[in-house]
Amino acid sequence: GENVEQHPSTLSVQEGDSAVIKCTYSDSASNYFPWYKQELGKRPQLIIDIRSNVGEKKDQRIAVTLNKTAKHFSLHITETQPEDSAVYFCAADINDYKLSFGAGTTVTVRA
Amino acid sequence: DVKVTQSSRYLVKRTGEKVFLECVQDMDHENMFWYRQDPGLGLRLIYFSYDVKMKEKGDIPEGYSVSREKKERFSLILESASTNQTSMYLCASVWSSGSYEQYFGPGTRLTVT
Repeated sequence: GENVEQHPSTLSVQEGDSAVIKCTYSDSASNYFPWYKQELGKRPQLIIDIRSNVGEKKDQRIAVTLNKTAKHFSLHITETQPEDSAVYFCAADINDYKLSFGAGTTVTVRA
Repeated sequence: DVKVTQSSRYLVKRTGEKVFLECVQDMDHENMFWYRQDPGLGLRLIYFSYDVKMKEKGDIPEGYSVSREKKERFSLILESASTNQTSMYLCASVWSSGSYEQYFGPGTRLTVT
């Protein structure tokens, strides 16, 4: 089955700096790669996703890149703000609507 | 706006008790999921249902069962709760067409003593 590895497990950045989280996956059949953000005490919410026919996708300060050959994808957050502090999860589709999630990255933005 | 609700935010049960966790979604989603969230382990799939009365085991089904008698409701059952089932339980749902976005419930923090 699909195995998703996520690094780093914790990330501390100065406000205004960039944050990068990297994930690798094992199943070359995976085609959908979402990122979820979970703020403290809240439910995970989708922030951006990418499909295998696209190499990069951007939405304001967040961007995701995908390298299907190497089977890895990354989340980039630019100009970090205190509200970016949260746990971020990457995921890859197993089939249809099932996802395999990474272990999560706790991002702390220092003021 | 999609709404996924769970029956309890916090629950304390004793070892050996039968525990029911309920999840309800109001958007007519076919697919529903139960995850368990533990620090450093991410979200692990316990069970998945793609239609009424249909279910599939996820990665960690041992000690759990599920019930889906109505499309909007997906229940997770701990037949005999054990201390290693102390965790955060998250329910999610998703449409069968279009966006693959999973909508999560607020979670149930279960403590088994």
